[in-house]
Amino acid sequence: DIVMTQSPDSLAVSLGERATINCKSSQSVLYSSNNMNYLAWYQQRPGQPPKVLIYWASTRESGVPDRFSGSGSGTDFTLTISSLQAADVAVYYCQQYYTTPYTFGQGTKLEIK
Amino acid sequence: EVQLVQSGAEVKKPGESLKISCKASGYSFGHSWIGWVRQMPGKGLEWMGIIYPGNSDTRYSPSFQGQVTISVDESLSTAYLQWNSLKASDTAIYYCARHYNWNDEYNWFGPWGQGTLVTVSS
Repeated sequence: DIVMTQSPDSLAVSLGERATINCKSSQSVLYSSNNMNYLAWYQQRPGQPPKVLIYWASTRESGVPDRFSGSGSGTDFTLTISSLQAADVAVYYCQQYYTTPYTFGQGTKLEIK
Repeated sequence: EVQLVQSGAEVKKPGESLKISCKASGYSFGHSWIGWVRQMPGKGLEWMGIIYPGNSDTRYSPSFQGQVTISVDESLSTAYLQWNSLKASDTAIYYCARHYNWNDEYNWFGPWGQGTLVTVSS
């Protein structure tokens, strides 16, 4: 299995400040034939199912605010929230869909400082 | 509108069997992979497996292979997750979710169900 490791496990950021979450895969999730990274980011608010924010490592889902962005390639990826809003309090997960099982990171809990 | 509606919460005893469901609507059920994700109390997401309703082709996580059965009834547009003998450690919320793109096995989850809480306790 590909192991996905997120850092940090939890993060407290002031409103309007930048939040950065990292995700590292135990092997590359870059498929050479199409040069795509098979990596998605999800947001899970308390009591809700997860919701996809980013796929192909950097493509924002329709309707997701542009303060959310994804970057990285190969084995190292980052989710950035440029200006934290109260609605962004949630747990964030990365997931690889390069090979089954399509493993998730352990999650990063984002709170307001 | 794509919707995945899951069956209600269950309370079971260890050793009992259980089958929970996920009814899909708003799209062609047979042509999109659909899967299950476990979330134990206060913990993260665990990918259990996916199934292609058109031919019941199934992929299991090794962690769940032999512990659960994923199936579909295409005529009812419904996916199922089944246990033959529950354990206390099966206590969790189980989500169904559909792959974002039709016919694409290598894909992320788009729509999610609301979750089914399964509690196993003597």
